[in-house]
Amino acid sequence: AQTVTQSQPEMSVQEAETVTLSCTYDTSENNYYLFWYKQPPSRQMILVIRQEAYKQQNATENRFSVNFQKAAKSFSLKISDSQLGDTAMYFCAFMKLRDDKIIFGKGTRLHILP
Amino acid sequence: ETGVTQTPRHLVMGMTNKKSLKCEQHLGHNAMYWYKQSAKKPLELMFVYNFKEQTENNSVPSRFSPECPNSSHLFLHLHTLQPEDSALYLCASSQDGQINQPQHFGDGTRLSIL
Repeated sequence: AQTVTQSQPEMSVQEAETVTLSCTYDTSENNYYLFWYKQPPSRQMILVIRQEAYKQQNATENRFSVNFQKAAKSFSLKISDSQLGDTAMYFCAFMKLRDDKIIFGKGTRLHILP
Repeated sequence: ETGVTQTPRHLVMGMTNKKSLKCEQHLGHNAMYWYKQSAKKPLELMFVYNFKEQTENNSVPSRFSPECPNSSHLFLHLHTLQPEDSALYLCASSQDGQINQPQHFGDGTRLSIL
């Protein structure tokens, strides 16, 4: 069975700093998707970034980038030049290609300090 | 280990049918959530229940009717659904309704509307 682990329940960094959130997963699949979702105080989930496992290039989206290490089954999220609005819960998620069951980690609470 | 169980895993129904999705958690949590994930949109929060009281309803159409008889069970009653309601419906729970609590997700119910 697939599992997703976010080992950091909570993190705090100063505004403008760079922060990395870790995510590891376990699967026997070769092709799959990985996601990072942000849940701000408004509660509505926001898709931050998506990575296809068959793509070696790390996905990036403005200040957000991932370090995808397929062999190590690691999918960390790097936030550069962090902003106060980045304060939120961040969820890592895994989805197989042929089965749209999605598996979430339990989340990392990120505080950006002024 | 998910701790959050959703049934059924798959559901196919006509637009005039009435059905219910069930979510159950044995984690001792007091908050439960319904999310919708469709091909067109990333994860959308639908409802939040905290200590059996509905605390959030994100403009969800009335054809979706949630019910939370106790802190361990959450239902989503469906009637007169539309084809665009076909999606993966995810349930989650957390210790309480605080926004930054870790959330435990179920495996989801894949709903297809004919």
